Formats: sequence, C-alpha cells, structure tokens
Amino acid sequence: NAGVMQNPRHLVRRRGQEARLRCSPMKGHSHVYWYRQLPEEGLKFMVYLQKENIIDESGMPKERFSAEFPKEGPSILRIQQVVRGDSAAYFCASSPSGMEGEQYFGPGTRLTVT
Amino acid sequence: QKEVEQDPGPLSVPEGAIVSLNCTYSNSAFQYFMWYRQYSRKGPELLMYTYSSGNKEDGRFTAQVDKSSKYISLFIRDSQPSDSATYLCAVSIYNQGGKLIFGQGTELSVKP
Repeated sequence: NAGVMQNPRHLVRRRGQEARLRCSPMKGHSHVYWYRQLPEEGLKFMVYLQKENIIDESGMPKERFSAEFPKEGPSILRIQQVVRGDSAAYFCASSPSGMEGEQYFGPGTRLTVT
Repeated sequence: QKEVEQDPGPLSVPEGAIVSLNCTYSNSAFQYFMWYRQYSRKGPELLMYTYSSGNKEDGRFTAQVDKSSKYISLFIRDSQPSDSATYLCAVSIYNQGGKLIFGQGTELSVKP
C-alpha cells in the first residue's frame, strides 16, 4: 500500500527558472495539502486542494506560486521565476477527509535555487 | 504570539528514560491534535492523533490533551536511540479544511 509519493526528491534550479513539484496522494485519498519547511522554521501550510478545485490557498505567496490537482494525474506545485529564498523542503500530504486534519506526508522535494 | 508554541530543544536523554514533549496553543477553536516524528531529511510521520481531552496510548507513546489549559503533551516510555528525531505537534480546526498549524518542533536525542 504505497504512501504519498513526491518527485523529484531533489531539484536544483537557477534563479529565474521554473520549478515543478509533483505529488501523488495515498490510494483512496482525495485531499491534498502542500507545506513548506524553510531552514530553521517549522512547517507552514501553503494550499489545500481537492480534484480540480483549490479549497484554501491562504498560505500561498501571492506571486509566482500556483498549484493544481487535475482530474487525472498528480498534484503539481509550480514556482515560476525562482529566487534563492524559495530554497526549502516542500512536502505534500494527503488525507481521506478534509475535516479532521489527519494527514499523511510524503518524503518531500528539496528545492535548491542557485 | 504564535498560534502553537513548542520548545525547540535540543533535548538529550539516556536510553530507557521517559521523555516528555510539550506544546501550548492559543486558540480554543483548535479541536484536533497531532504528533509527528520527523527524521533528518525525511517527511513527517504521523504518530498520534486525537481530538478529545485526556490520554491516548499507542505502545510506548502517550498523547495527552488538556483543552482547559491549551496544553498538549507526548510521552515516550523506554526511549530508544531510534527515537532520536524532531517531534512536531500540530493542531487543526474541524471543518476548516484540515489545515495543520505546526509547532517549531523539538529535537530529541536518545543516547545509548
């Protein structure tokens, strides 16, 4: 029973390039969350999605960041024109329900911007 | 004031000790309480999940919630070197999408 899958595990981008992070939720889970963990900081919520819908994007930076969870395929977190401050670990979590907060995390994608 | 406060440690204990990890939260609307364990450069692993005041036990782990004091704890009995990790408390509000708010995490080291 596969857990949450994320790829790539490590991603290096130069300033100004685009980063695309992918997340496949656990089987049977239709709720996907993205979190960011900056060095010396805790995990911070970014966005909550269900299939074809963004439910809560209150934690997303206003510019350059976008997320989607299409009907088919993985959820994508997209960062355009990356800057060094975007270097962080990005975690995806999935849940069987969007209510109680029981979430299971993937291994993360570590983004390094050079 | 942060919504969830957690002492970052580090906390170092000898093998076999009982470990107590704590968090406080500020918003009485939080109804769900979780503890995650995160090994270095890995994703957080859900350890305990509860929504009521009182104790919940799972093997060597006990989660304790005191809603009147807005205080949550995780106890680890007979600690092992393999328990060395960062422990994160998290809270959420029912019916608000399940967004988790995390504490900063406590780094635990269990010495053989």
